[in-house]
Amino acid sequence: DAKTTQPTSMDCAEGRAANLPCNHSTISGNEYVYWYRQIHSQGPQYIIHGLKNNETNEMASLIITEDRKSSTLILPHATLRDTAVYYCIVRVADIYGQNFVFGPGTRLSVLP
Amino acid sequence: DAGITQSPRHKVTETGTPVTLRCHQTENHRYMYWYRQDPGHGLRLIHYSYGVKDTDKGEVSDGYSVSRSKTEDFLLTLESATSSQTSVYFCAISYGGGSYEQYFGPGTRLTVT
Repeated sequence: DAKTTQPTSMDCAEGRAANLPCNHSTISGNEYVYWYRQIHSQGPQYIIHGLKNNETNEMASLIITEDRKSSTLILPHATLRDTAVYYCIVRVADIYGQNFVFGPGTRLSVLP
Repeated sequence: DAGITQSPRHKVTETGTPVTLRCHQTENHRYMYWYRQDPGHGLRLIHYSYGVKDTDKGEVSDGYSVSRSKTEDFLLTLESATSSQTSVYFCAISYGGGSYEQYFGPGTRLTVT
């Protein structure tokens, strides 16, 4: 699976959009981009994933560049409860369930 | 939230004793996984299952065994616990393989003294 690079930490003001970048310059054509987050001591929470088109759900939007070498997770109106570590993961979709490799992620702090 | 429970949520045990952790799902998902999370290592896959009685090893399977006799339950057993197995253990489920996302349980904090 391709490696990802994320900033170690970011701050965001409550109510503002949080934009979390991820570089995955060695991504292959059959690798998806996934985003998870982990709030302290809880299990990782799935946010969103995509292959090449932009995606949006009730939690967030995922913007993938045309060359697929980077992506941005957007939380449109960050709240204090969005404070967490955010993980960007690229993963091959094969026929068997395969593990997700979680790197160090980005620690997002939403400030009042 | 996906219907995943783990039991026990916390456990302290002594070196050399057997320990079994249980993951229970109400989603009827085919795939189930056991991960461990340690500082500096992120989440690492221990074992996974792709159906009843169908299991396979992950990257850190030594010292662990699993069983899945029913769709809803996936058991992780430490045959003889060691201090290096002190960790937080997460179960995850997935509807299918391919691009399907995984949903994680609340975790079990295991301490081996």
